[in-house]
Order: sequence, then structure tokens, then C-alpha cells
Amino acid sequence: AQKVTQAQTEISVVEKEDVTLDCVYETRDTTYYLFWYKQPPSGELVFLIRRNSFDEQNEISGRYSWNFQKSTSSFNFTITASQVVDSAVYFCALNDYKLSFGAGTTVTVRA
Amino acid sequence: EAGVVQSPRYKIIEKKQPVAFWCNPISGHNTLYWYRQNLGQGPELLIRYENEEAVDDSQLPKDRFSAERLKGVDSTLKIQPAELGDSAVYLCASSGWRGGEGTDTQYFGPGTRLTVL
Repeated sequence: AQKVTQAQTEISVVEKEDVTLDCVYETRDTTYYLFWYKQPPSGELVFLIRRNSFDEQNEISGRYSWNFQKSTSSFNFTITASQVVDSAVYFCALNDYKLSFGAGTTVTVRA
Repeated sequence: EAGVVQSPRYKIIEKKQPVAFWCNPISGHNTLYWYRQNLGQGPELLIRYENEEAVDDSQLPKDRFSAERLKGVDSTLKIQPAELGDSAVYLCASSGWRGGEGTDTQYFGPGTRLTVL
């Protein structure tokens, strides 16, 4: 069974538009960690954020923000005022006993 | 501060040939991971090391894949013989104390893109 579902395969936006990436996860554990990674065309996975299951506060870091809702098992990611450099594949991941990745969402930001 | 280093970045081989990938983790990180990433998918764990010990190799195809981390620092992943289906990106990651981001946060190297012809 898929533990992390990223329903959006590809999203294309024009620069300065906001884009929200959905992530739904499944686990029986009460203690777990959620992550977002960015994979630009160069191929390296870049860590963006780590959130534990007991902390449901939303987080903002510059143009990035994350919305964690335990009630719906979702950990969504929003890029505000997107830029061309945001073009990448974004992965949501769940660490309960090991790190499980979603299939990724390809974001293309057009100038 | 240096990140995870991997080599080579690209490798093209004929099927049935052997191939090896090398990884040097972030200094001080005790845990090292090897992942395989197929095109259009997320990475999947092959093996996890805690220092020199392989603590999770349940997803490693042991008939043709092997890995070692002899001194608890750098690691080598080998495929022998390679098959067409092994074409993928092989990613190495490490985790450990880095201050503030949890000891379980994994930092990834650039990967090795393997093409088997």
C-alpha cells in the first residue's frame, strides 16, 4: 500500500503565481516525521523541511510554507510568488520506521 | 561544510558487466543509506548502515548486489552482473547530528546515473 501519495504528477505555472503541492500519508504510528525534498534537474535531493507528528503548527520559510493537518493526514507545501528557479521535482516523505517517498510532483515555472 | 560525495556521476556499461559506486557521507554522520531511484519515481531504500553494520538490507537484491562500509565512513555499492533493469539513479544519503534538524534527517548526494546497455 502506498504510504505517501502525491496526487499531482505535474504542475505548470507562470512566474509569480502561487503553487500548492498536495501530500497525503498513511501510517499506524503515533510518532513519525514528515519531510519535503526538492530535486532540481541536477539530480541532488535537497532537504527543505522536517516536521514531527506532534507539531501541527504551520511553518513559513521565505516564499515556502507548509500546512500540516493530522486530522486529514496531509502535509501540503505552498510556493508563493513562484520563480523559474523553483522548477524541480518535489518529494514528500514519511519516516515512521524508514523513509518512504511519494512519487513526486514536477513543478514547471514559466517566465 | 562538505555534503555527501558520490562517484562516478555517470556510468554506462554493457549488461553482465560489474559496476561499483562510491559514497563518502557528511563528516560525523554515523548512518549511511543507499537508494535506487527509477525514472519518474521516488527513491527506494536498498540498504542502511549504522556505522559498519548493515541494519536494514531487506530490499537489497542479494543475488547481484552487495555493499560494504568497512571502516564506518565511506561505502561502496556493487552490482555484478548488471542487468538492463538496473538502469536507474543510485543515491547515497547520510544522517546524524547536525544541530536542530533531527538526527534522522537524511542528506543526499548527487547520485550516480547508471545506464545498462
